[in-house]
Amino acid sequence: DAEITQSPRHKITETGRQVTLACHQTWNHNNMFWYRQDLGHGLRLIHYSYGVQDTNKGEVSDGYSVSRSNTEDLPLTLESAASSQTSVYFCASSSGQGSYEQYFGPGTRLTVT
Amino acid sequence: RKEVEQDPGPFNVPEGATVAFNCTYSNSASQSFFWYRQDCRKEPKLLMSVYSSGNEDGRFTAQLNRASQYISLLIRDSKLSDSATYLCAVNFRTGGGNKLTFGTGTQLKVEL
Repeated sequence: DAEITQSPRHKITETGRQVTLACHQTWNHNNMFWYRQDLGHGLRLIHYSYGVQDTNKGEVSDGYSVSRSNTEDLPLTLESAASSQTSVYFCASSSGQGSYEQYFGPGTRLTVT
Repeated sequence: RKEVEQDPGPFNVPEGATVAFNCTYSNSASQSFFWYRQDCRKEPKLLMSVYSSGNEDGRFTAQLNRASQYISLLIRDSKLSDSATYLCAVNFRTGGGNKLTFGTGTQLKVEL
């Protein structure tokens, strides 16, 4: 079955380290999104991509980067992890062909100490 | 004003009750609307899409009121298993594609 996966599911890292969170989907969806979810803020968009080689900044993109080298993957990199980036990170995808529903991965719980 | 607003709740209802949540949005150009269900520490899962005036799926009914810019979710005959947080999402077009903006969610607790 087609699906969307994230790895790792849990990560503890130290302030200042570079961290990469993986997102992989097998639906052949054009659109992929990264969100973070914190109490009181709901889901906030970090970066998104509408296709290979396309990336765009969301509302909370500072300190994060993405690259899209193929359809299936959109890794999220924290250049220099900060305690404020402790959060739950969700990746999502949508077909982008007249259908705007997004389907979410299981999430990565990141703790920056 | 937030782009998408929801009453955070919690809504505590007895099993078998009917409960309704509203979600207001500020962008009148929005065209597509969704309800997601999120269980504690899990990913949001699509519950219903609302592309026109509304739709129904079993015990769940979603309605759209474009004039007043809100969508609603009605749950009939509530079950204990309906306890979760319900997120509304509103689609709007930007640049070369479409994005969703999510509300912060409404928490539902169904009790015996």
